[in-house]
Amino acid sequence: DTEVTQTPKHLVMGMTNKKSLKCEQHMGHRAMYWYKQKAKKPPELMFVYSYEKLSINESVPSRFSPECPNSSLLNLHLHALQPEDSALYLCASSRDRMGQGISEAFFGQGTRLTVV
Amino acid sequence: RKEVEQDPGPFNVPEGATVAFNCTYSNSASQSFFWYRQDCRKEPKLLMSVYSSGNEDGRFTAQLNRASQYISLLIRDSKLSDSATYLCVVNKAAGNKLTFGGGTRVLVKP
Repeated sequence: DTEVTQTPKHLVMGMTNKKSLKCEQHMGHRAMYWYKQKAKKPPELMFVYSYEKLSINESVPSRFSPECPNSSLLNLHLHALQPEDSALYLCASSRDRMGQGISEAFFGQGTRLTVV
Repeated sequence: RKEVEQDPGPFNVPEGATVAFNCTYSNSASQSFFWYRQDCRKEPKLLMSVYSSGNEDGRFTAQLNRASQYISLLIRDSKLSDSATYLCVVNKAAGNKLTFGGGTRVLVKP
């Protein structure tokens, strides 16, 4: 099973709202990622968790707050977003080879976010 | 210079033809290489990992050239369903960061 499940699939939120995106995998992967993708652009890395610890934050604004409650779950909490934050948010997971690079990553279907 | 660069295309390919394209990477410490395909408004899906000796999966062949720091993807006997954006992805050892190229768009036409 190479499935990464993201909810919700679509989300419309106002600039004053607080919402959360959720991601779940049961492949035993210990590296999990959040990517943001705008139309006709490649995915841009936002955050990486390795063994439930935040290992990379690509200078993402604080209105995006990641959380990794356990090895299977990854959340992205959203607060006071701007219209330019509208994008496809992708979660991914991979095996972490502990300093020897990572294996291939598997992506969820994404959450299409619209900020109004 | 971008870390991972691809020709954006589009490559217009007659059905049944062969198409090949490259991806260059700037970091010589890169260790893992992958090709993903992405259809419009869908998530990237792993097409194949790229191994040092090169590897083949059906109609798809991937090669790695470490000396010149590029990887390639060749698609034989192109099908209409091969129309997609092909993303080159590179990972540096000792880190979990996957870096994407800008993607190469392939359009297979009857």
